[in-house]
Amino acid sequence: DADVTQTPRNRITKTGKRIMLECSQTKGHDRMYWYRQDPGLGLRLIYYSFDVKDINKGEISDGYSVSRQAQAKFSLSLESAIPNQTALYFCATSDATPYEQYFGPGTRLTVT
Amino acid sequence: AQSVTQPDIHITVSEGASLELRCNYSYGATPYLFWYVQSPGQGLQLLLKYFSGDTLVQGIKGFEAEFKRSQSSFNLRKPSVHWSDAAEYFCAVGSSSGGSYIPTFGRGTSLIVHP
Repeated sequence: DADVTQTPRNRITKTGKRIMLECSQTKGHDRMYWYRQDPGLGLRLIYYSFDVKDINKGEISDGYSVSRQAQAKFSLSLESAIPNQTALYFCATSDATPYEQYFGPGTRLTVT
Repeated sequence: AQSVTQPDIHITVSEGASLELRCNYSYGATPYLFWYVQSPGQGLQLLLKYFSGDTLVQGIKGFEAEFKRSQSSFNLRKPSVHWSDAAEYFCAVGSSSGGSYIPTFGRGTSLIVHP
């Protein structure tokens, strides 16, 4: 079984809808991250969490919110989706050291 | 603030040829450096990492990278490319300041392999 799972894998939604992307991990890591990937822009950090009670904004948090329900679960919400949030979203985990990240398979989100 | 530049958006090589993907970083202290690979339709996978010590690091799938502090570079190399190496490659840099590690990724280099 995959160490980092994301649901759904693909989602099409309409402008203005609320949507939640979920991430679960079995690696036992405390640190979890949400990124979005756009062609030519690489990965940009949306939010990160170093433990259940620690949530931090990343480079592009506007329009997004997160919830860390447990050590193993980290959800990303779009309260009112807009078309420029169409992207590939990745969840990642890491330990405090040695810092390398483990990525989920991604969620492809399309907002029409 | 730290930053990463991957100057090449696309690289095309023939199968069996050697490969070098460039990565330059900006960071004041000794950084933590990584190369990740993203195969089509998949998440990112760590190829190799540099934290300290030997500046030539070996990774998976026959890849290696060399940390050159004087050039602020961490270029990825492979002596003989296989068709299965066609993918997107990302360089990342992070700091350990205060125990907080927030990585910054480059924009990626797309590798195309011709038979």
